[in-house]
Amino acid sequence: EAEVAQSPRYKITEKSQAVAFWCDPISGHATLYWYRQILGQGPELLVQFQDESVVDDSQLPKDRFSAERLKGVDSTLKIQPAELGDSAMYLCASSSTGGVVYEQYFGPGTRLTVT
Amino acid sequence: EDQVTQSPEALRLQEGESSSLNCSYTVSGLRGLFWYRQDPGKGPEFLFTLYSAGEEKEKERLKATLTKKESFLHITAPKPEDSATYLCAVHGGGGADGLTFGKGTHLIIQP
Repeated sequence: EAEVAQSPRYKITEKSQAVAFWCDPISGHATLYWYRQILGQGPELLVQFQDESVVDDSQLPKDRFSAERLKGVDSTLKIQPAELGDSAMYLCASSSTGGVVYEQYFGPGTRLTVT
Repeated sequence: EDQVTQSPEALRLQEGESSSLNCSYTVSGLRGLFWYRQDPGKGPEFLFTLYSAGEEKEKERLKATLTKKESFLHITAPKPEDSATYLCAVHGGGGADGLTFGKGTHLIIQP
């Protein structure tokens, strides 16, 4: 069964350092999402890509966060500099486009701890 | 702004004790309501999509239903392996496709 891949699974970094997360969506899925989930809360959308283009980044803290999907396949989310409040689970999801199928399939996530 | 409220926040049941989880939503133009299961330290696992009031979907011991204001996830004769956090999310009528999630219901099934 096809899955969304993410790495690393866990990351510990000191505040003010840079950190990057990688996501490889399900093959053929044109739409890719990055979500952030704080412990005890539901995921919150950070950014949505359609192929290589950003569709929605209204909730992305652009002073420190950046995201790219250069070839319209895998994607990288970067934080620089990291702050203590960035400690969370970062989830990547993908979905096919077209018709009425909007199910988003999530990867295992990257657990970030900022010390 | 789309909003999703789930209740209860936590629920502890005995094995075999059926119950329901609630998801109330406010959205401009519902395009879909989703249920996910999330185990500790893992990403959400897709369960169901519901598109219109009156729709029902079933999978093993789970059944999801939808009205114009809320959705229910019914769990029949649960087993300990059904223990997880169940997340409800809506896909509203805005141009982008990001989901708005509730905080989830943490379900514990005791043997």
